[in-house]
Amino acid sequence: DAKTTQPPSMDCAEGRAANLPCNHSTISGNEYVYWYRQIHSQGPQYIIHGLKNNETNEMASLIITEDRKSSTLILPHATLRDTAVYYCIVRVGSNAGNMLTFGGGTRLMVKP
Amino acid sequence: NAGVTQTPKFRVLKTGQSMTLLCAQDMNHEYMYWYRQDPGMGLRLIHYSVGEGTTAKGEVPDGYNVSRLKKQNFLLGLESAAPSQTSVYFCASSKISGANVLTFGAGSRLTVL
Repeated sequence: DAKTTQPPSMDCAEGRAANLPCNHSTISGNEYVYWYRQIHSQGPQYIIHGLKNNETNEMASLIITEDRKSSTLILPHATLRDTAVYYCIVRVGSNAGNMLTFGGGTRLMVKP
Repeated sequence: NAGVTQTPKFRVLKTGQSMTLLCAQDMNHEYMYWYRQDPGMGLRLIHYSVGEGTTAKGEVPDGYNVSRLKKQNFLLGLESAAPSQTSVYFCASSKISGANVLTFGAGSRLTVL
């Protein structure tokens, strides 16, 4: 599996866009980029995933560089409720018994 | 829909005692997982199941057993609890067609004295 590198922590002002980077320079052609977040003491929550095209849903946007070696999760208007640890995970798509590995992630602090 | 429900939410055990954590999902998902999370750490996979009657070991399976007798339920057992098993346990489930899109439960906090 491709390894991911994320900054350990970031701050963002409430109402501004939060841009969370993730490096995955060893990503393979059939590996997707997944983003999850974990709000304090809660179970992780799926946010978004993509292969090579940019993706957007009601929670966030995912921008993947053309060479696919890095990506950015964008929360367009961060709120205090977005304070959480954000995990970037690279895995092959639907695969029986896939084991998602949640590493250190980025601790995002949204400040008033 | 309730999604993924874990019981109990909190439990305190003495060393050597046994207990079972129950995970129930009402989304008809084929895959189910048990993770543990220690303070300040990421999640580590204990065991998982790709279908009723089948289980497999994850990253940290020692000291735990699991069973999936019904598709909607995934049980995690500790036969002889140890202080090293003090942790928060999360259950998750996913569909075959979206195996990496996991729905997690709220967690079960276990303390072993």
